[in-house]
Amino acid sequence: QSVLTQPPSVSGAPGQRVSISCTGSSSNLGTAYDVHWYQHLPGSAPKLLIYGNNNRPSGVPDRFSASKSGTSASLAISGLQAEDEGDYYCQSYDIRLRGVVFGGGTKLTVV
Amino acid sequence: QVQLVESGGGVVQPGRSLKLSCAASGFTFSNYGMHWVRQAPGKGLEWVAVIWYDGSNPNYVDSVKGRFTISRDNSKNTLHLQMDSLRAEDTAVYYCATFRGGYYSYWGQGTLVTVSS
Repeated sequence: QSVLTQPPSVSGAPGQRVSISCTGSSSNLGTAYDVHWYQHLPGSAPKLLIYGNNNRPSGVPDRFSASKSGTSASLAISGLQAEDEGDYYCQSYDIRLRGVVFGGGTKLTVV
Repeated sequence: QVQLVESGGGVVQPGRSLKLSCAASGFTFSNYGMHWVRQAPGKGLEWVAVIWYDGSNPNYVDSVKGRFTISRDNSKNTLHLQMDSLRAEDTAVYYCATFRGGYYSYWGQGTLVTVSS
């Protein structure tokens, strides 16, 4: 049972837009600590996708965007491409657990 | 470019030990906190251990406290994870990752640890 809750799976057709939610609590997303997102493609190392709630590292396409509000956050992927298929994780810090926490991951399927 | 290369994984019996290493290059290793994160088969990512940039303040997830020890050698740009008293539930791919600003900028490819009799 992950501290942050994500839907197990989402899917969309090429070109469409999908959204992945990340729900936390007052001890993590409800604090001043940021939420970050990672893409984990099959056979690859996880990759930083979004940091500081809504910032894209250099090289990440602007098709990826994110937001945070209260105890929830979301990642949006527009213009879906086949190569976007993989797992997506949110991450933050929990002040009660005093450690890094992850969501359970969401498997994106491009149908 | 930044490279993190884990090694040391393998198959080990319950109760035995294993030491993982992570060789870093392409960045100033001594400027970054380092973490170990694992992924058990069919499960999500789980933070395991942290060590500050200067080797201080090691900390662990409760399930490995007293069994795992994180360390680093900044002169050799290397991170280690000594895993003792291994259990079946420690079976996972173990990743090392740089940590600064509250997030993981870079990850290694991971090394598989299988605890089985």
